[in-house]
Amino acid sequence: KQEVTQIPAALSVPEGENLVLNCSFTDSAIYNLQWFRQDPGKGLTSLLLIQSSQREQTSGRLNASLDKSSGRSTLYIAASQPGDSATYLCAVRIQTGANNLFFGTGTRLTVIP
Amino acid sequence: EAEVAQSPRYKITEKSQAVAFWCDPISGHATLYWYRQILGQGPELLVQFQDESVVDDSQLPKDRFSAERLKGVDSTLKIQPAELGDSAMYLCASSLTRGSYEQYFGPGTRLTVT
Repeated sequence: KQEVTQIPAALSVPEGENLVLNCSFTDSAIYNLQWFRQDPGKGLTSLLLIQSSQREQTSGRLNASLDKSSGRSTLYIAASQPGDSATYLCAVRIQTGANNLFFGTGTRLTVIP
Repeated sequence: EAEVAQSPRYKITEKSQAVAFWCDPISGHATLYWYRQILGQGPELLVQFQDESVVDDSQLPKDRFSAERLKGVDSTLKIQPAELGDSAMYLCASSLTRGSYEQYFGPGTRLTVT
């Protein structure tokens, strides 16, 4: 079974800092990897999706990379803002017929003004 | 902008009672998913529908949980009887088709079993 791990579990940074969130997965046979944001008590918002053939994706201040062979992904957030405070989840889609996702446990980010 | 709707947003119930959650996916989305998210963990898939048919319910505790999507549009997830360990966030998501990678999530239903 695919296991997805995120480190650290929680992170606090001062406003303006650049930061990196880490995600690792045990089985490299994935279709793609997706990063989500979850605000407290809310649903998930998709941030970036990286196909297995890609190395990185960028959206605004966010950059996600994928090293499929080593089972790792990183989410880089530039110039962090208090509004970035949330839990960030990564999820991998495995190569089966079902279109389901295996999620990590998330990193809770706090950006201090 | 189209969204996935869920109700209720919060539910408190006593152990052994029945509880039901409702989800209305984005119009035109054929695939619907129910996930359970225990506090501090990532969501785990409970059941997946393609139109009105179940395509994956391998993680659904079928002795107490049931799910239906009778007309292939909205869906209901039921728990009977509820147990303390069922306290969690229940998330619904939808996607255009099974081959579509983009899943859109609703706001979730927070269940507390006392």
